[in-house]
Amino acid sequence: EIVLTQSPATLSLSPGERATLSCRASRSVSSYLAWYQQKPGQAPRLLIYDTSNRATGIPARFSGSGSGTDFTLTISSLEPEDFAVYYCQQRSNWPITFGQGTKVEIK
Amino acid sequence: EVQLVESGGGLVQPGRSLRLSCAASGFKFDDYIMHWVRQAPGKGLEWVSGMSWNSGSIGYADSVKGRFTISRDSAKNSLYLQMNSLRAEDTALYYCAKDSPMVRGVQDVWGKGTTVTVSS
Repeated sequence: EIVLTQSPATLSLSPGERATLSCRASRSVSSYLAWYQQKPGQAPRLLIYDTSNRATGIPARFSGSGSGTDFTLTISSLEPEDFAVYYCQQRSNWPITFGQGTKVEIK
Repeated sequence: EVQLVESGGGLVQPGRSLRLSCAASGFKFDDYIMHWVRQAPGKGLEWVSGMSWNSGSIGYADSVKGRFTISRDSAKNSLYLQMNSLRAEDTALYYCAKDSPMVRGVQDVWGKGTTVTVSS
């Protein structure tokens, strides 16, 4: 199976700052990489699919980039509601796998 | 409104079985691959299994292969997960999720989950 490794585990930032989250795959997933946001007590929410495509209703401050094995989720200017855990996910090969998550917390 | 409602969770002893259900509404059930994803307490997301309407696409995580079986009933718009030989490490919140209409293998709608606790 493809292993996804996210870094850092925790990102401490202030509202208005830029957040850069990383996801590295153990082998190429082409562009088949998605990002989800999860807040406490809630189900995950799809943010980005296929590296850089925002899901319906996702604000433009969320953007994704990368290809092959290295991917990035960028939040250009953190809003209070963006503090959450973010997971990457690959759909290139089954079994589908998730990264272990990056927690974006208020500094 | 698109909705997924899981049920069937509970407390079960190691080695026993449990069957989860997911009732889907608000969309054409047969058009989408459906998935089970779990989250152990305080841990990350783990994809468990997924299945297309005709079983043409079906898969399992290595951690559950041979113990869990996914199935679906188009007439009832329902997804199921039969879990056998349960272990303590299967303790988790189990989510039902549907594929996005844009891409296969990405989940755009999730239920609230049903909790499974495996303990003696």
